[in-house]
Amino acid sequence: EAQVTQNPRYLITVTGKKLTVTCSQNMNHEYMSWYRQDPGLGLRQIYYSMNVEVTDKGDVPEGYKVSRKEKRNFPLILESPSPNQTSLYFCASSSPTGGGTGELFFGEGSRLTVL
Amino acid sequence: SQQGEEDPQALSIQEGENATMNCSYKTSINNLQWYRQNSGRGLVHLILIRSNEREKHSGRLRVTLDTSKKSSSLLITASRAADTASYFCATDAGGNTPLVFGKGTRLSVIA
Repeated sequence: EAQVTQNPRYLITVTGKKLTVTCSQNMNHEYMSWYRQDPGLGLRQIYYSMNVEVTDKGDVPEGYKVSRKEKRNFPLILESPSPNQTSLYFCASSSPTGGGTGELFFGEGSRLTVL
Repeated sequence: SQQGEEDPQALSIQEGENATMNCSYKTSINNLQWYRQNSGRGLVHLILIRSNEREKHSGRLRVTLDTSKKSSSLLITASRAADTASYFCATDAGGNTPLVFGKGTRLSVIA
C-alpha cells in the first residue's frame, strides 16, 4: 500500500530535549516536505527536499533541521525544542510532474507538545 | 510567498445541499489543487486543475479556475454528512517552488 509513515504520532517532551520525527515513503517520490499546522494559521512549510541531498527552507525553518540521505526518508530534527514548536506536524511526498510539485501524499501527522 | 485564501472560513449546510468554497491567490500559477482534511488527520488530495484548464470534474466535485481573476471554486454537489471536513486550496507556481496552502474552509454537513 502506498503510504507516508510518520513516527511518533504523539509526543510530549520538555524544552531543550532533542527529538527527531521520522518520515518514510514507499512510493519512490523525489519530493518530500514538512509542514506544521496551527489553529488559525493553516499549513506552513518548514523544509522541503527536491531529491536526495537537496534540501531548502520553507516559510518557517527556524528551530528545525532536516536531512535527505536516502530517497525514502526525510527526518525532521528539533535540536532544542521550545514551547512555540508545539504543533501538529505533517510530512508529505510527491513525484513532481508537469513542471510543478504534483499531487502530495500526506502522512497521518505527529502531534508534538513541548512543555 | 503566495498563498491561496479560502472563503468562507466556515460553512454549515444541510445534507443534500450543494457546498461552494472559493479560493483566491496573488500571483501566476502552474496549477491549483484542492485537498480535504478530516479533523486531525492527514490531508487527502481531491483534484488538480492546470492553469490552462477552466473546469474539472471528479464524481460529486466540480472545480473551476479563472486565471484572469486569480480565483478558483470547489463545488460539492448533494453533500453528505461524511463530507464534513476542512478543505484547502494549494497553489503551485511550477519549477522548484513549493506548493503553498491556504488556511482552509471548514465545512459542516448536518444530517
